[in-house]
Amino acid sequence: AQSVTQLGSHVSVSEGALVLLRCNYSSSVPPYLFWYVQYPNQGLQLLLKYTTGATLVKGINGFEAEFKKSETSFHLTKPSAHMSDAAEYFCAVTPMNTGFQKLVFGTGTRLLVSP
Amino acid sequence: KAGVTQTPRYLIKTRGQQVTLSCSPISGHRSVSWYQQTPGQGLQFLFEYFSETQRNKGNFPGRFSGRQFSNSRSEMNVSTLELGDSALYLCASSFSGESNQPQHFGDGTRLSIL
Repeated sequence: AQSVTQLGSHVSVSEGALVLLRCNYSSSVPPYLFWYVQYPNQGLQLLLKYTTGATLVKGINGFEAEFKKSETSFHLTKPSAHMSDAAEYFCAVTPMNTGFQKLVFGTGTRLLVSP
Repeated sequence: KAGVTQTPRYLIKTRGQQVTLSCSPISGHRSVSWYQQTPGQGLQFLFEYFSETQRNKGNFPGRFSGRQFSNSRSEMNVSTLELGDSALYLCASSFSGESNQPQHFGDGTRLSIL
């Protein structure tokens, strides 16, 4: 069974400050990892994904995440927050090489950006 | 390229009724998945279809069902609606449904049960 823990249901930062959203996973088999963002009244938009290869993954809008197998973590960072980054962020996992898709999501972290 | 389209965007039903939600995937995508999003339970996987076959199902009662057509469009049906079925229902598509492929989400159908 897989599970995802996102530490902090709300994270507040000032515009221009570092954004750090935490994600830890539990999985009996190596997973693929994803970060999605959800703006109000919209669906989920993919920010980035880790499947294989380089453990530091760059995504859209200046976000990046690093897969650390020893820590079972996949934290999301952005060097400088913009007001437009205010949204809810979801970390998700799916087992490798299963031939089907079944994302398991964390509970989400709402990012608040103040001027 | 058009994204994933879900209709209707909003729906209001009463307890005991049934409802059908529709999802048109991105052109060329053959895998369609459905998720339920609620404040209490978060995002939960309902089922996944590929080439008209259900490949995987989440832990939901039999009142929740779905199907996929030959053009990859999908519908989900909920019968005997309960208050707890009020949620945002999200559809996602991917090209072949392999687990390393990202899923592209629609904007959802918000279902309210009175």
